[in-house]
Amino acid sequence: AQTVTQSQPEMSVQEAETVTLSCTYDTSENNYYLFWYKQPPSRQMILVIRQEAYKQQNATENRFSVNFQKAAKSFSLKISDSQLGDTAMYFCAFVRTGANSKLTFGKGITLSVRP
Amino acid sequence: DVKVTQSSRYLVKRTGEKVFLECVQDMDHENMFWYRQDPGLGLRLIYFSYDVKMKEKGDIPEGYSVSREKKERFSLILESASTNQTSMYLCASSLYRERGLEQYFGPGTRLTVT
Repeated sequence: AQTVTQSQPEMSVQEAETVTLSCTYDTSENNYYLFWYKQPPSRQMILVIRQEAYKQQNATENRFSVNFQKAAKSFSLKISDSQLGDTAMYFCAFVRTGANSKLTFGKGITLSVRP
Repeated sequence: DVKVTQSSRYLVKRTGEKVFLECVQDMDHENMFWYRQDPGLGLRLIYFSYDVKMKEKGDIPEGYSVSREKKERFSLILESASTNQTSMYLCASSLYRERGLEQYFGPGTRLTVT
């Protein structure tokens, strides 16, 4: 079974600064995907970024980037130039490729961006 | 844009009542999911469905059932609501069986059972 661990329950960052959210996972699979989802206070969950395990290059989406360390089973999210709208809960998630596989979420981290 | 809607944002029910939570998606997605979200526990999968009339148990199916009679609609049923089912319920959908594809979430239903 896969597990996803987000050990920090809360973080705070000053507007315009950079913050890194940690995530580790445990799996015996070789082919899988990793995700970061964002849930703002309005509660609609949206995808922030996705990483395919077979790709060595770290994914980036504008101000969001990941540091994917496959051997260490680590998948951290870096938010650059933090904005007030980045205030949200962030969930790390894992899914193995193939049929009948399910998304496994971490417990989430609450990020607050201070003005 | 994909839209996933849920029938209610807030719902208050009494212990023992039968509760229906409805989810509708408008993008012809094959896969639909029901999650429960509780503080400190993250999202836990209750049930999911790959196609009409198909359903599979997730990690915490006890006390719940589901129905998928039409492709766009996935219902979560609490046969006899209990106070420990007070929670936020999130519905999601995704395209086909490819697990690498994004799941689209609804706004959630905050259910309180008294």
